Amino acid sequence: AQSVAQPEDQVNVAEGNPLTVKCTYSVSGNPYLFWYVQYPNRGLQFLLKYITGDNLVKGSYGFEAEFNKSQTSFHLKKPSALVSDSALYFCAVRGSGNTPLVFGKGTRLSVIA
Amino acid sequence: DGGITQSPKYLFRKEGQNVTLSCEQNLNHDAMYWYRQDPGQGLRLIYYSQIVNDFQKGDIAEGYSVSREKKESFPLTVTSAQKNPTAFYLCASSSGPYTGELFFGEGSRLTVL
Repeated sequence: AQSVAQPEDQVNVAEGNPLTVKCTYSVSGNPYLFWYVQYPNRGLQFLLKYITGDNLVKGSYGFEAEFNKSQTSFHLKKPSALVSDSALYFCAVRGSGNTPLVFGKGTRLSVIA
Repeated sequence: DGGITQSPKYLFRKEGQNVTLSCEQNLNHDAMYWYRQDPGQGLRLIYYSQIVNDFQKGDIAEGYSVSREKKESFPLTVTSAQKNPTAFYLCASSSGPYTGELFFGEGSRLTVL
């Protein structure tokens, strides 16, 4: 069975500082990994994905994520946080086989001015 | 503009009543999904469909039903058998079962009075 863990319910960062939102996963076979962002009372928006290739993936709004196979991690990062980055972030994984995405429980990011 | 439209955005229901949530997409995507979101629990998969006239149960299908008579439409019925239906419901679609990211609607918030 595939699963995703987001170990932090809340991450607080000062504006202008780098941010990291953590994600670890468990799947059989090669993982397909995704990050989404959700603003209050809205649907989820796609940020980036890792399918294959370069371990560092760049996405929307200046976000990037690093795939680490040995640590089964896919942490989301941004060099300089903005107040407007404050939102709920979800990591998701799909393993081999015809299975839907499985989502983590989400991490609430708060960027303080 | 292409996208996914969910309606209604807010819905109130009395106990014992069935209610149907609409989801329409004009992205020409084959796969469609329904997720339920509760605070602190992330997204949980209710049903998904990868082609017209076919659908599969997700992790929490009990008390819900779906149909997929047209490629563009994937309505969800919350039946009176669903013991705790108050939640935020999200519909999504994807272009492919493996590597395609999900595109989400804006969600429907159901409150049972």
